[in-house]
Amino acid sequence: DAGVIQSPRHEVTEMGQEVTLRCKPISGHNSLFWYRQTMMRGLELLIYFNNNVPIDDSGMPEDRFSAKMPNASFSTLKIQPSEPRDSAVYFCASSLAGIGYTFGSGTRLTVV
Amino acid sequence: GEDVEQSLFLSVREGDSSVINCTYTDSSSTYLYWYKQEPGAGLQLLTYIFSNMDMKQDQRLTVLLNKKDKHLSLRIADTQTGDSAIYFCAEEGNNRKLIWGLGTSLAVNP
Repeated sequence: DAGVIQSPRHEVTEMGQEVTLRCKPISGHNSLFWYRQTMMRGLELLIYFNNNVPIDDSGMPEDRFSAKMPNASFSTLKIQPSEPRDSAVYFCASSLAGIGYTFGSGTRLTVV
Repeated sequence: GEDVEQSLFLSVREGDSSVINCTYTDSSSTYLYWYKQEPGAGLQLLTYIFSNMDMKQDQRLTVLLNKKDKHLSLRIADTQTGDSAIYFCAEEGNNRKLIWGLGTSLAVNP
């Protein structure tokens, strides 16, 4: 298995533009998590899905952020419009009922 | 509320043992985890311990759990330069959500 695959690895965009981050979880995993990591706040859980259904989106900062999981093998996190304070590394992780999560390599987002 | 705390930095000499400490608050946590993050990479599950255990050993890694004090530690024996990374402690809360510490940055000096 190739693990959790995220794209793009790096994204630089101008303030106000729409940004879409993508994630392919490990096949067979039924939970998917989107995290944001910054130096100031560490790891923040934004949203997680169980069996493609959003369970808890209380960590989504504001309405500019949205996430979808149309099927078991794909999820997107969209920011529209993006702002400089959204600059961070965004991680996707997946798990199956059991021990721990498997993380992707992350998308480093820079909004200028 | 739920909270996980760890010291931010640790510096050791190559060959020495490293001990990274963590305190947590949710006594109902089933599992507690240690993750490792190398520069530019995602988090990698290093080891975990079930809450009814007090010790787990895995090669150079030893995890100690003091449930009474809600204290978790990770000991790395014979620390190598390749162990330099950020180590995250996490407890499993409700609905399998992990509650994370801010991470301990381990620097290994030759």
